[in-house]
Amino acid sequence: QVQLQQSGPGLVRPSQTLSLTCAVSGDSVSSNRAAWNWIRQSPSRGLEWLGRTYYRAKWSTEYAPAVKSRISISPDTSRNQFSLQLNSVTPEDTAVYYCARDTTGWPPDYWGQGTLVTVSS
Amino acid sequence: AIQMTQSPSSLSASVGDRVTITCRASQGITNDLNWYQQKPGKAPNLLIYSASNLQPEVPSRFSGSGSGTDFTLTISSLQPEDFATYYCLQDYRNPFTFGQGTKLEIK
Repeated sequence: QVQLQQSGPGLVRPSQTLSLTCAVSGDSVSSNRAAWNWIRQSPSRGLEWLGRTYYRAKWSTEYAPAVKSRISISPDTSRNQFSLQLNSVTPEDTAVYYCARDTTGWPPDYWGQGTLVTVSS
Repeated sequence: AIQMTQSPSSLSASVGDRVTITCRASQGITNDLNWYQQKPGKAPNLLIYSASNLQPEVPSRFSGSGSGTDFTLTISSLQPEDFATYYCLQDYRNPFTFGQGTKLEIK
């Protein structure tokens, strides 16, 4: 059974960096079939896909254009986890953040529990 | 980005009713359309992938159809546990995009 466990702070100051980690069990972040996503949800923006990382002979990332200049998603193969960094946050980045797995030909099927991140001074 | 327009945004129905939710893409997405159910405080749960394929363990009262730009999710006979918010998601092209959601409420 695949499980994703999120961790990270729930409060970030404006202009600082939001950092979250998603620990994976029951699958490998280095899998040739899986991809590892970050998705957020807020009342104003709804569900918003932010990006993903995956391994297909080499590591690749894909980011949503809306956050591409501020985002980084990276794997940590030694700990079987992946991370999100979102720079220069503003109150508009306040949301519940989810990590999720998708596999080739399938949409995100396993999700983390969600982390409410509030951007406030 | 591909825009996903979901309707209605909310819906009141009774146990036993048949309900249909629609999702329209701003351009053709073949059958790369998926449906999720979300309950308060929980992550979205995948119901249907590739427009019409039921995820394992999802009850058969749920069904999906469509191709190209127009898609539907149908619940044939509503059960109490079905009252939730439903979202469509296109994974045809990055960035993946969601519909704005349909909140299904008890009448």
